[in-house]
Amino acid sequence: AQTVTQSQPEMSVQEAETVTLSCTYDTSESNYYLFWYKQPPSRQMILVIRQEAYKQQNATENRFSVNFQKAAKSFSLKISDSQLGDTAMYFCALRGSNYKLTFGKGTLLTVNP
Amino acid sequence: DTAVSQTPKYLVTQMGNDKSIKCEQNLGHDTMYWYKQDSKKFLKIMFSYNNKELIINETVPNRFSPKSPDKAHLNLHINSLELGDSAVYFCASSPGDRGRTDTQYFGPGTRLTVL
Repeated sequence: AQTVTQSQPEMSVQEAETVTLSCTYDTSESNYYLFWYKQPPSRQMILVIRQEAYKQQNATENRFSVNFQKAAKSFSLKISDSQLGDTAMYFCALRGSNYKLTFGKGTLLTVNP
Repeated sequence: DTAVSQTPKYLVTQMGNDKSIKCEQNLGHDTMYWYKQDSKKFLKIMFSYNNKELIINETVPNRFSPKSPDKAHLNLHINSLELGDSAVYFCASSPGDRGRTDTQYFGPGTRLTVL
């Protein structure tokens, strides 16, 4: 069975600062994929970043980067230069050899002006 | 231009009714999914189809029945609606290649309210 844990239900950050959202996971598979999705108040689920477990290099997408620690089963998301539009619920997700995405419970991030 | 679309976006209905939610994707993907997001925002997969074949069927009441007329469409029919069915239902699609990242792309969601 796959599990994903996000231990921070809510976080806040000042505009232009950096924030890190935590995610840990558990899986018995050796080949898997990790994702961060954001869900703003509009409700749309938007892909932020993805990481293949077999790649050692951490993924980056503009202001978003991950710290992937495979041995520790940790996959944190760093948002640099936070913007008001980053205010959203952030979900960490894991996909193994089947097609199923297992989600964490989410972290509500508020960016304050 | 829309990648994954769902209709309707909002659905308000009475207990005991039967309703359907439609989903269409124009990405050429082989795999489609239905997820349920409850009032605490927890997302859980319900079903998945790959090329019109059911491949994931989680523990969901029999009142929920997915139907895939072709690989671009996956509809969700719900019989005898109950109060606990109130949630946001998301459709998603992915290329369906297990060996690669196979990213899932989500529709805008359908907020179902059962009165």
